[in-house]
Amino acid sequence: EAGVTQFPSHSVIEKGQTVTLRCDPISGHDNLYWYRRVMGKEIKFLLHFVKESKQDESGMPNNRFLAERTGGTYSTLKVQPAELEDSGVYFCASSQEGRGPYGYTFGSGTRLTVV
Amino acid sequence: RKEVEQDPGPFNVPEGATVAFNCTYSNSASQSFFWYRQDCRKEPKLLMSVYSSGNEDGRFTAQLNRASQYISLLIRDSKLSDSATYLCVVNEGYSSASKIIFGSGTRLSIRP
Repeated sequence: EAGVTQFPSHSVIEKGQTVTLRCDPISGHDNLYWYRRVMGKEIKFLLHFVKESKQDESGMPNNRFLAERTGGTYSTLKVQPAELEDSGVYFCASSQEGRGPYGYTFGSGTRLTVV
Repeated sequence: RKEVEQDPGPFNVPEGATVAFNCTYSNSASQSFFWYRQDCRKEPKLLMSVYSSGNEDGRFTAQLNRASQYISLLIRDSKLSDSATYLCVVNEGYSSASKIIFGSGTRLSIRP
């Protein structure tokens, strides 16, 4: 079974530019989550999709961040315009319906550096 | 106050030693608890769930004290491969609708 795939693995962009991160969950996993870890801090929740619907987006830092999951398959997280404080590692995780936290699988993350 | 607090370490112990990590959480309504392991520049991976009765998986033992809102992880006969960051994770519910809260992690380094 393929795991959770994230692309790109690394991205270096200039302040003010736009970056789009992609996450392909495990096939059949309805739940998709985005988390991020900024330097020196703990991993923090950003949002949760159930299929194509946003279940909880309480962790999104501001309106420069836009997440989508068209068709309930892969998800994108766009940052526009990027700021220096957006640098960090963005993790995606997926789980089956009903499994919740007991069945989380994380992707290997996208390391974003804004310069 | 952080929702999940851990001693950041680092813990530097010799191979074969026993080491224990602790974690406290602030939300008394939290329902499910986990230890994750994260290797350098890798994703977090579930190590084990934590149950009120305590549970063991090989050399690893996890304990939960709901009254004190305290979670522990004990590693016996530590191996070099146990070197990693250990993340205490708390979930406010059992369902997939509730998000998980991470502690900042405790770094463990096992020396030969």
